[in-house]
Amino acid sequence: DTGVSQNPRHKITKRGQNVTFRCDPISEHNRLYWYRQTLGQGPEFLTYFQNEAQLEKSRLLSDRFSAERPKGSFSTLEIQRTEQGDSAMYLCASSLDGTAYNEQFFGPGTRLTVL
Amino acid sequence: QKEVEQNSGPLSVPEGAIASLNCTYSDRGSQSFFWYRQYSGKSPELIMFIYSNGDKEDGRFTAQLNKASQYVSLLIRDSQPSDSATYLCAAQYNFNKFYFGSGTKLNVKP
Repeated sequence: DTGVSQNPRHKITKRGQNVTFRCDPISEHNRLYWYRQTLGQGPEFLTYFQNEAQLEKSRLLSDRFSAERPKGSFSTLEIQRTEQGDSAMYLCASSLDGTAYNEQFFGPGTRLTVL
Repeated sequence: QKEVEQNSGPLSVPEGAIASLNCTYSDRGSQSFFWYRQYSGKSPELIMFIYSNGDKEDGRFTAQLNKASQYVSLLIRDSQPSDSATYLCAAQYNFNKFYFGSGTKLNVKP
């Protein structure tokens, strides 16, 4: 499978626990995005990497959230001290530098449930 | 606040009809516009994008853009039950920022 992959696909955790999600983009794509989507809403931008550099971060991303892309390949999104309001689908997307219109391709998502 | 507005629907059309999905955006600086299809429980899937005023056709899909009216639409010809999904409109701003609408749910009845 040459598309964007995300792991795990589902995560159930208790409030206050830390969770980490992984995203592997399409292999030649150097741009990587994280979004959060709740039921009935469209994806909300969280953060963006170009190679290993985190170039933009939404105000939605509180200090409990951190994302890394250490070698410019896969990325991780960590949520510390989870809250029930963090329950959502976390989507990763990637795109290729040099394309005129920055078409993004999404992974299958990680569904987080905080009890 | 850069907003993308879509009617949440559901929009119901009979099989074989044309489905028309609409989207408005608030920021005139938005550069390109994308339509994604999202089946229940799945991630968004890119259908097509448009950046110039006018129409862009790809198979059964036609995207229309009117920058003066800040309006984007997606027409689906010969609608099939498999087209039943939520359609998300996204506006691209400053190249790397995408703002999504909340989506329109389409039901195509056999």
